[in-house]
Amino acid sequence: DAGVIQSPRHEVTEMGQEVTLRCKPISGHNSLFWYRQTMMRGLELLIYFNNNVPIDDSGMPEDRFSAKMPNASFSTLKIQPSEPRDSAVYFCASRGGGVSRNTEAFFGQGTRLTVV
Amino acid sequence: GNSVTQMEGPVTLSEEAFLTINCTYTATGYPSLFWYVQYPGEGLQLLLKATKADDKGSNKGFEATYRKETTSFHLEKGSVQVSDSAVYFCALITNAGNMLTFGGGTRLMVKP
Repeated sequence: DAGVIQSPRHEVTEMGQEVTLRCKPISGHNSLFWYRQTMMRGLELLIYFNNNVPIDDSGMPEDRFSAKMPNASFSTLKIQPSEPRDSAVYFCASRGGGVSRNTEAFFGQGTRLTVV
Repeated sequence: GNSVTQMEGPVTLSEEAFLTINCTYTATGYPSLFWYVQYPGEGLQLLLKATKADDKGSNKGFEATYRKETTSFHLEKGSVQVSDSAVYFCALITNAGNMLTFGGGTRLMVKP
């Protein structure tokens, strides 16, 4: 398996523009997570899906952020409109094993977003 | 709720020095414990894990023992290399949920 695949790897956009980040989880994994990493706040969980259903979105910072998982092999995180404070590295992770506590999450390489 | 506390970094060591990064946790339910490593410009990758008390996870010379009595999972390595320079995250998951709870990360810098 190629692992968790994120695109793009880097994104530079102007303030006010819409940004869409994409993630393809590992085949067969039923949980998908979106994280944001910054120097100031470290690693933050934004939202996670189980069997394509959003379970906990309490980490989504505000209404400008939205996430979808239309099927088991694809998810998007959208920011509209983007602001400079959204600049960060965004990671997607997936996990199998259901509610078993013994399986780890696998992370993608991340998307480095810069909003100017 | 669940939480993970790691020692603050950065930790700066000379090559071949002994490494300890402390990790303690609180959890609702019985957790599995993980250490992840993040090299510069990359995503997090699993370094080792332990799923029950007294288990020792090990990989690439790193070790950590699941200590239920002290709720700890300290990461150790006997002789660090420059290539070990990275950020290390301690994490847990319990049988009551599906989410990994991460600590704040500890940056390790190894100098030649």
